[in-house]
Amino acid sequence: AQKVTQAQTEISVVEKEDVTLDCVYETRDTTYYLFWYKQPPSGELVFLIRRNSFDEQNEISGRYSWNFQKSTSSFNFTITASQVVDSAVYFCALSEAGWSNDYKLSFGAGTTVTVRA
Amino acid sequence: NAGVMQNPRHLVRRRGQEARLRCSPMKGHSHVYWYRQLPEEGLKFMVYLQKENIIDESGMPKERFSAEFPKEGPSILRIQQVVRGDSAAYFCASSPPFGGENTGELFFGEGSRLTVL
Repeated sequence: AQKVTQAQTEISVVEKEDVTLDCVYETRDTTYYLFWYKQPPSGELVFLIRRNSFDEQNEISGRYSWNFQKSTSSFNFTITASQVVDSAVYFCALSEAGWSNDYKLSFGAGTTVTVRA
Repeated sequence: NAGVMQNPRHLVRRRGQEARLRCSPMKGHSHVYWYRQLPEEGLKFMVYLQKENIIDESGMPKERFSAEFPKEGPSILRIQQVVRGDSAAYFCASSPPFGGENTGELFFGEGSRLTVL
């Protein structure tokens, strides 16, 4: 069974502050993928990142960075110098790896980030 | 290059009526997935379809729910005799055939929000 836990339900910060979103997962698979999606108030889901379980390198993309710690089963996401446009619900997700299993994502409950001007 | 198109964006039904949600995948994508997001929860996988085939329906409720992806036209998620508990956002996603350009990313539509009165 797979499970993704996002312990933080809501986070509120002032613009320019950094914000870190926690994601802890459980899986019996040795090979899996981890994802982060953003859901702005308009409702669509925006893909942010996909990470293979064998790749533990941290990644930075602009103001976004991800810290993958396989030893603690965590895949945390940090927004640096937050902006009002970052206000959204952020979902962490997990899928089994394999030729055709990537589609079955297990999502966490989401963390609502509110960035105040 | 249009993204995944879902309609209607909002649908209101009374208990006992039928709901039909449509999804047109991105151009060149032959795989369609439906996910459901209940209020205050993450998305949950429902069904995976390819043209004229249901590949995995392990997340579909056993009764009242059905999905199809005909040779021509959009994918349809059909809910018969809706109940209040069916109120949710229904997301469709698509991906290209596995291998080749498939990077494991699911491209999500903006969702269809069903409200059952």
